[in-house]
Amino acid sequence: SQTIHQWPATLVQPVGSPLSLECTVEGTSNPNLYWYRQAAGRGLQLLFYSVGIGQISSEVPQNLSASRPQDRQFILSSKKLLLSDSGFYLCAWSVGEGNTIYFGEGSWLTVV
Amino acid sequence: AQSVTQPDIHITVSEGASLELRCNYSYGATPYLFWYVQSPGQGLQLLLKYFSGDTLVQGIKGFEAEFKRSQSSFNLRKPSVHWSDAAEYFCAVSGGGADGLTFGKGTHLIIQP
Repeated sequence: SQTIHQWPATLVQPVGSPLSLECTVEGTSNPNLYWYRQAAGRGLQLLFYSVGIGQISSEVPQNLSASRPQDRQFILSSKKLLLSDSGFYLCAWSVGEGNTIYFGEGSWLTVV
Repeated sequence: AQSVTQPDIHITVSEGASLELRCNYSYGATPYLFWYVQSPGQGLQLLLKYFSGDTLVQGIKGFEAEFKRSQSSFNLRKPSVHWSDAAEYFCAVSGGGADGLTFGKGTHLIIQP
């Protein structure tokens, strides 16, 4: 069966510091991969999605970037964090008809 | 552009009572529709989905949802709620492409003893 791992689970970072959140999917090949952000416990905003290695689509211009160095690995990064980057970040994957999306457990980021 | 409206931000239901969470969508073609549940501090778990066929779909944990094209709705129902159903519920729509789902803002379900 397929599983998705996302880490770290919790992160407290100072303003201006870098960020790296990692996500890997097991048990499937060539999945679509996603990064969503959920701010203040309300709503989900799609940040990035990827249909293959090195292919990244950005939905919202912002202080973040994403990379897909391997088929089942998706990384969310920032060079300099802002206070507004605080939130709950969710990695997800999909494959097959309808591209049903399955989520990881999420990463809490607090920028102080 | 597609959109999802969940008109109820909070709903309070007594344990054992029936539940209906509303979801209206806007999409130009036949949509793919989803309901997810999120417990505090957790990721989202898929409850059920509608792609085509029978407009009444069954999901996990005793939930069901009915697709009504004429009303652009996909309401979630459960005949008898349990305290463990207290959570945030999200409705979502997509066209089936790789560009992800569009989510509603969620409905917070509170269960009264």
